[in-house]
Amino acid sequence: DIQMTQSSFSLSASVGDRVTITCRASQSIGNCLNWYQQKPGKAPKLLIYAASSLQSGVPSRFSGSGSGTDFTLTISSLQPEDFATYYCQQSCSTPRTFGQGTKVEIK
Amino acid sequence: EVQLVESGGGLVQPGGSLRLSCAASGFAFSSSWMSWVRQAPGKGLEWVANIKHDGSEKHYVDSVKGRFTISRDNAKNSLYLQMNSLRAEDTAVYNCARDLRGYTSGIYYYYMDVWGKGTAVAVSS
Repeated sequence: DIQMTQSSFSLSASVGDRVTITCRASQSIGNCLNWYQQKPGKAPKLLIYAASSLQSGVPSRFSGSGSGTDFTLTISSLQPEDFATYYCQQSCSTPRTFGQGTKVEIK
Repeated sequence: EVQLVESGGGLVQPGGSLRLSCAASGFAFSSSWMSWVRQAPGKGLEWVANIKHDGSEKHYVDSVKGRFTISRDNAKNSLYLQMNSLRAEDTAVYNCARDLRGYTSGIYYYYMDVWGKGTAVAVSS
């Protein structure tokens, strides 16, 4: 199975900050990488697919980059509604493993 | 409106069975791959299984192989997860999701763009 590792379990940031979340795959996955946002008690929401494609309706302050084994989700200017947990997921092969999640908290 | 609604969760004893359902509306269900994803209390997301649009291909995470069966009824726009031999570690909220497929550089990739709100399963004596 492909293991997905996010660099931190949590991070603290302020409104307006530029936030970067990283994700590493245990083997090359090309650009088969998705990012999801989850708020407490809610279903996950797709933000980015295929490493860098912005899902329709998602604000342009969210962007994704990377290929192979190293990927990044960037929020260019953190907004109050962005405080949530973010998960990466590889979709090249089954099982479609997720990272452990990164909780973005208010500083 | 594109929508997925899960049902069938509840409290079940270890070793018991449960069948989850997911009702789809607002999109071409019969043309869509579908997945189940679960989240144990206070834990992260775990992909459980998925099924091809015509039911001819199914995949499972190792921890549920031989115990869970994913299926679908395209005439009813419904997805199912039959869960047998349930264990305490199967306790989670189970979400169904639409699994879209893209193709680039010789590789198929997938992403779950529509999710249901989930149904809770608790396995306890």
